[in-house]
Amino acid sequence: EPEVTQTPSHQVTQMGQEVILRCVPISNHLYFYWYRQILGQKVEFLVSFYNNEISEKSEIFDDQFSVERPDGSNFTLKIRSTKLEDSAMYFCAGKGAAPTGELFFGEGSRLTVL
Amino acid sequence: GENVEQHPSTLSVQEGDSAVIKCTYSDSASNYFPWYKQELGKGPQLIIDIRSNVGEKKDQRIAVTLNKTAKHFSLHITETQPEDSAVYFCAAGSSGNTPLVFGKGTRLSVIA
Repeated sequence: EPEVTQTPSHQVTQMGQEVILRCVPISNHLYFYWYRQILGQKVEFLVSFYNNEISEKSEIFDDQFSVERPDGSNFTLKIRSTKLEDSAMYFCAGKGAAPTGELFFGEGSRLTVL
Repeated sequence: GENVEQHPSTLSVQEGDSAVIKCTYSDSASNYFPWYKQELGKGPQLIIDIRSNVGEKKDQRIAVTLNKTAKHFSLHITETQPEDSAVYFCAAGSSGNTPLVFGKGTRLSVIA
């Protein structure tokens, strides 16, 4: 069964450092998302990406965040200068062409900022 | 924007009993309501969804009901088993690329 793959599974970084989280979506998916889940809290939308550009972003997704899909397969989330409050589980998700198709999530990347 | 409220935050049931989790939403334009199950250390997985043109949907021991007038929808799990223990999230969305908005989750514990 196809799945969304995320790396790393866990990253520990110092405050102020840059972090890149990587995702390999399911090959026939067209819409890609990053969500964040702070420990014990709800899953929050960060950004959606379609046709090689951002289609929507939340208030959380400020200038410290960026996304790209440089080679048509990997979908990355970059945090330029991490803050303590960026510590969370980051989930990549994707879906196909259907308007309200199923959203498939990866297993997440746990980011710990010290 | 959309706001999804979910209750209860925790729920303990005896094995074999039923569990009900309720959600409300605010945006009348929302027409897609999925439920996700998240096991420890894993990403959310879709277990059932319902669209606004139906009032109820069932898949074995899981059912979801939707009341569009009242803007609420519920997840029903019958004959609960220990492996049903997880965090369950409801979500609401609309057509196209609009991102899903999630509730805060319900931690379900099924006691053997």
